[in-house]
Amino acid sequence: QSVLTQPPSVSGAPGQRVTISCTGSRSNIGAGYDVYWYQQLPGKAPKLLIYANSLRPSGVPDRFSGSKSGSSASLAIAGLQAEDEADYYCQSYDNTLSNSPFVFGPGTEVTVV
Amino acid sequence: QLVQSGAEVRKPGASVKISCKTSGYTFTSYSIHWVRQDPGKSLEWMGWINAANGNTKYSHKFQGRVTFTRDTSATTAYMEVSSLESDDTAVYYCARMTGLHFDSWGLGTQVTVTS
Repeated sequence: QSVLTQPPSVSGAPGQRVTISCTGSRSNIGAGYDVYWYQQLPGKAPKLLIYANSLRPSGVPDRFSGSKSGSSASLAIAGLQAEDEADYYCQSYDNTLSNSPFVFGPGTEVTVV
Repeated sequence: QLVQSGAEVRKPGASVKISCKTSGYTFTSYSIHWVRQDPGKSLEWMGWINAANGNTKYSHKFQGRVTFTRDTSATTAYMEVSSLESDDTAVYYCARMTGLHFDSWGLGTQVTVTS
């Protein structure tokens, strides 16, 4: 059971905007640790999508944006495209889990309907 | 770039060693982490190796059954999992860490444990 929570799935029509939430606690996101987002296309490896809450690596379209507030973070996908169908995972650091401090959310499946 | 070794099939009780060949950066400047993904599940952090000095840290879940090593001359990291069980059937990823996140991932190695 992850210390970060995400909705299991979100869907939207092409061109729409969808958002994915990632809720943590005072020992991870709420403690000030950054949130990172990864995109995992079907059958592929995860790929860094957003780092340091809101920054995009080179090559990531600006349709993807991230934000953080308090103990939660969000990933928004504007102008949804068929190629955005994937699983999205948030990740942070937890300072109470010295054994396993790098934590991932359970993932959110994005479907373009 | 991180290039992992190919899929493996093992019997229960056996061991498997996966390689993660790196290129395009100074191997000893970054740690290599290992992440497991069970079928249809999320990502689970297993531990990491300091590529510079070989120091390792393992998640308690895997401690005692997993060993990380590296060969600096080959710029390659390795993970060996022993005493395999059917529950170890998963895709295993190596990933490079920058700060507190993983900025580059291997393609994954499918390990199937079946009798």
